[in-house]
Amino acid sequence: DAMVIQNPRYQVTQFGKPVTLSCSQTLNHNVMYWYQQKSSQAPKLLFHYYDKDFNNEADTPDNFQSRRPNTSFCFLDIRSPGLGDAAMYLCATSRGQGGTTDTQYFGPGTRLTVL
Amino acid sequence: LAKTTQPISMDSYEGQEVNITCSHNNIATNDYITWYQQFPSQGPRFIIQGYKTKVTNEVASLFIPADRKSSTLSLPRVSLSDTAVYYCLVALSGGYNKLIFGAGTRLAVHP
Repeated sequence: DAMVIQNPRYQVTQFGKPVTLSCSQTLNHNVMYWYQQKSSQAPKLLFHYYDKDFNNEADTPDNFQSRRPNTSFCFLDIRSPGLGDAAMYLCATSRGQGGTTDTQYFGPGTRLTVL
Repeated sequence: LAKTTQPISMDSYEGQEVNITCSHNNIATNDYITWYQQFPSQGPRFIIQGYKTKVTNEVASLFIPADRKSSTLSLPRVSLSDTAVYYCLVALSGGYNKLIFGAGTRLAVHP
């Protein structure tokens, strides 16, 4: 089945140690998104790619970076994780073409723990 | 993007119909109303989307009055597995969208 895959599902890192989360998709969608969701809160958009064009949200900390080497893969890099970065990180994709609104398909998320 | 307001939590019992109302007073002409469902430790999942009047699919119905300043998600005969957080969002038509999630409604279905 076509889907959005996130690896790993659980990631533990140390305070200040860089970490990379990965997302892949078999939907061949143009747009890929990264969200941060803290406990009992709504998902918060960090940034997204439309094809190779990167779009950062204004309030996303510089500590968060992203790479999209090809259509299928997108990475979230946290350069120096702090305790406040512990959260579920969700990857989503959408077709990104016209018509009615563009449904987003979410992966299962990666839960990041910072020690 | 229009801000949405919905109840923080709701309780129901198995077999009942649940209606969750969302307010979006500043909705723009080109905005659609979209609902997502999120189970614990999973990503949100698209449920239903509409522009006006009524939309129905195999999971839910969406009622939108003529002024479009509110909408109601209706879940018929809920079961325990419908316990989840339900998010109401408005999204621009055409192209792609940034989804700005509000607080959502935490629905608890009891036996």
